[in-house]
Amino acid sequence: NAGVTQTPKFQVLKTGQSMTLQCAQDMNHEYMSWYRQDPGMGLRLIHYSVGAGITDQGEVPNGYNVSRSTTEDFPLRLLSAAPSQTSVYFCASRRGRGVYGYTFGSGTRLTVV
Amino acid sequence: DAKTTQPPSMDCAEGRAANLPCNHSTISGNEYVYWYRQIHSQGPQYIIHGLKNNETNEMASLIITEDRKSSTLILPHATLRDTAVYYCIVRVDSGNTPLVFGKGTRLSVIA
Repeated sequence: NAGVTQTPKFQVLKTGQSMTLQCAQDMNHEYMSWYRQDPGMGLRLIHYSVGAGITDQGEVPNGYNVSRSTTEDFPLRLLSAAPSQTSVYFCASRRGRGVYGYTFGSGTRLTVV
Repeated sequence: DAKTTQPPSMDCAEGRAANLPCNHSTISGNEYVYWYRQIHSQGPQYIIHGLKNNETNEMASLIITEDRKSSTLILPHATLRDTAVYYCIVRVDSGNTPLVFGKGTRLSVIA
């Protein structure tokens, strides 16, 4: 039981490049979310999903795409990286209906130059 | 979801109880109080949640006032490893309500 696994842990991109941040969980959790955390700031919700095939936008969705084709995976795509997207990205998951806490991954540290 | 108010920072001596307050005066009857913490550079960690009654687990205790307008997270014997930002979040736990973080309280445990 690995929990929530995020890859890569570190990434440097050039402005304009695209990439996909991977998030996988092995707990059969229905709900998954992506957050970004800028230096010294709180977490902001980017996109979230309540099940395979269902996604919705959070507070700061611009510049990011998501899809949820399986229960286990919830990749985050940066379409055209910008320096403003330099941040730490966290993925989280939890069970569906019921009162449960979220489990977070260890994060991906992204720098856009 | 109801808004929460937390002090921006607190200090606690190692070995003492850390009492972290949270005000949520506009809480609705079906909203839960959740606590998470984030130790430096790590992903947030779920601590505890409650609706009306006080709750305790291996990490902490949660005391909710009778009118539910405020709560206190108690770490009974704080250690240096409890230094973190603690988030109090109030939310309805149904369907597609995502988890939204505020600014939290930065707890520093001092030796």
